Amino acid sequence: GAVVSQHPSWVICKSGTSVKIECRSLDFQATTMFWYRQFPKQSLMLMATSNEGSKATYEQGVEKDKFLINHASLTLSTLTVTSAHPEDSSFYICSAREGPVDRTDTQYFGPGTRLTVL
Amino acid sequence: GENVEQHPSTLSVQEGDSAVIKCTYSDSASNYFPWYKQELGKRPQLIIDIRSNVGEKKDQRIAVTLNKTAKHFSLHITETQPEDSAVYFCAASIGRAGRRALTFGSGTRLQVQP
Repeated sequence: GAVVSQHPSWVICKSGTSVKIECRSLDFQATTMFWYRQFPKQSLMLMATSNEGSKATYEQGVEKDKFLINHASLTLSTLTVTSAHPEDSSFYICSAREGPVDRTDTQYFGPGTRLTVL
Repeated sequence: GENVEQHPSTLSVQEGDSAVIKCTYSDSASNYFPWYKQELGKRPQLIIDIRSNVGEKKDQRIAVTLNKTAKHFSLHITETQPEDSAVYFCAASIGRAGRRALTFGSGTRLQVQP
């Protein structure tokens, strides 16, 4: 199956700093990538949909100025958590969908990034 | 928006027994229903999916059934093994044209006792 990587796998930062997380599709082109947040023992909550070459679509309640998403190429999307606070600590997972929107629904997930804000 | 409910939240079975996890969805426009398995600290792995034009799909010990009228779908695992122990998530596509984001259920922690 298709492979999605994420970097870094974990990061610890101080409150007030910004953290960038990268999501890459390694062996396919992803026109759409998704960013999820997962708290311990909970489900995946969709944060935003990232479309190559256009602005991301954010879910209700997700601050777009705090969670900056850039999808500059067909293989890379980045999530930047700006001015991070301890409540932003979570497991962030991206997924990528291969191919045209109307051709496939299958999403492949990255390994996740565990963010801890001190 | 779409709402997906999943039951049970935990499930313990003996090795060799069958396990069934059930989900219901609210948006009748949803037409894609994947199931993911997630082990602790790891990424969700797609194990099976079904589209709305199919009522049942099987892959070895795993099967999924879909009832569009009732808006529910189920995961069936037969001859369970200890390595099946994990958290399982159902999901449904939101169905908005051109978007196809997934809404996940709350998850089922399956424990297979040897």
